[in-house]
Amino acid sequence: VQLVASGGGSVKPGGSLRLSCVASGFTFRDYHMTWFRQAPGKGLEWISHINAGGRPQFYAESVKGRFTISRDNSKDSVFLQMDSLRLEDSAMYFCVRLVGRNLFDFWGQGTQVIVSS
Amino acid sequence: DIQMTQSPSTLSASVGDRVTITCRASQNINTWLAWYQQKTGKAPTLLIYRTSSLESGVPSRFSGSGSGTEFTLTISSLQPEDFATYYCQQYESHSSFGQGTKLEMK
Repeated sequence: VQLVASGGGSVKPGGSLRLSCVASGFTFRDYHMTWFRQAPGKGLEWISHINAGGRPQFYAESVKGRFTISRDNSKDSVFLQMDSLRLEDSAMYFCVRLVGRNLFDFWGQGTQVIVSS
Repeated sequence: DIQMTQSPSTLSASVGDRVTITCRASQNINTWLAWYQQKTGKAPTLLIYRTSSLESGVPSRFSGSGSGTEFTLTISSLQPEDFATYYCQQYESHSSFGQGTKLEMK
């Protein structure tokens, strides 16, 4: 199993980034997927979920209305479009596979997002 | 929302020690509890699910126990590669994580 995230970088407040995560080693279309983030020295924060078929989608209050999760099962990929970025969105972002009842059994290596003026 | 509280926040121990980390839930979560290990600069990995079931490949020195609102993660004989931060997670109702316990070398 592999989850390879990319798309992170440095951006100014109010800017946008699109994160991608490519999966391999398992039947991607059978799994719900999530994004987590972790600010430096802080704990794990769930931010978004997308069901195996693409709907429904769920968001943490902290990102609702600014971030959009999507997936392309033909490309074994999940995406996170991040708009109106804020300083507090700076973190390592992980794409994570979900199994069963909200159990996160495999985490990608993460991609760093820095929001700075 | 169910709040998860871990103790201690930091634990200093030596190789060979038996260590225990506690996780408390703000309400009954039955046995819907998982433990994750995160080494510095790395992604978390799932260690234990359903309170006491070891994920494939996890050494048998790790064990979990508890039910209801109080849970423990025990490492029977600490190895150098076990120094990391450990998180508990409830998945009885949605999901929430503890704040983490950093296991450091004494």
